[in-house]
Amino acid sequence: AQSVAQPEDQVNVAEGNPLTVKCTYSVSGNPYLFWYVQYPNRGLQFLLKYITGDNLVKGSYGFEAEFNKSQTSFHLKKPSALVSDSALYFCAVRPSGGYNKLIFGAGTRLAVHP
Amino acid sequence: NAGVTQTPKFQVLKTGQSMTLQCAQDMNHNSMYWYRQDPGMGLRLIYYSASEGTTDKGEVPNGYNVSRLNKREFSLRLESAAPSQTSVYFCASGGQSSLETQYFGPGTRLLVL
Repeated sequence: AQSVAQPEDQVNVAEGNPLTVKCTYSVSGNPYLFWYVQYPNRGLQFLLKYITGDNLVKGSYGFEAEFNKSQTSFHLKKPSALVSDSALYFCAVRPSGGYNKLIFGAGTRLAVHP
Repeated sequence: NAGVTQTPKFQVLKTGQSMTLQCAQDMNHNSMYWYRQDPGMGLRLIYYSASEGTTDKGEVPNGYNVSRLNKREFSLRLESAAPSQTSVYFCASGGQSSLETQYFGPGTRLLVL
């Protein structure tokens, strides 16, 4: 079965420290991978995506993600966390060959402390 | 451009009542989607529409119906609401290509008593 796993329900980081939000996937073929962020009482906002090419993808608000095919992972990273980065983060995968359907992980809540 | 808009923002229903959630997009996207978000479960696809005039079931379609009224609008109907349908509902739209990003509306919070 195709799936996305976000192993951490919550990640706590001090402001200014680097952050990582983990995502692993299980799909057939070459996946298209996405990260979205959700602020309280808001819809999901697109952060970045990997389709092909360079394994390191840069996105909005200083975020980046690294695609690792051998580990089937697509971890979200930021060199220096801000309190305003505190939100719910979703990893999603769109299996290649399938239609535009996204499979979402359960989400990881990021808390950045001053 | 407003992007993806949804109405209402919040609704309380009694078990057995019906309602329609409205969604519209102004990005000229062919594809539109309805998801529900429940704690600890991420977003699950209810129905999608690849283009005007077509609709298909997603992961959790039971208890819902949809209508793709035109290219801009995609509505979700609950014919007989149940407490298990208490959730936050998101509409999204995207381009035809499977490479394109989906853009989400602000959501409708539904409480079924």
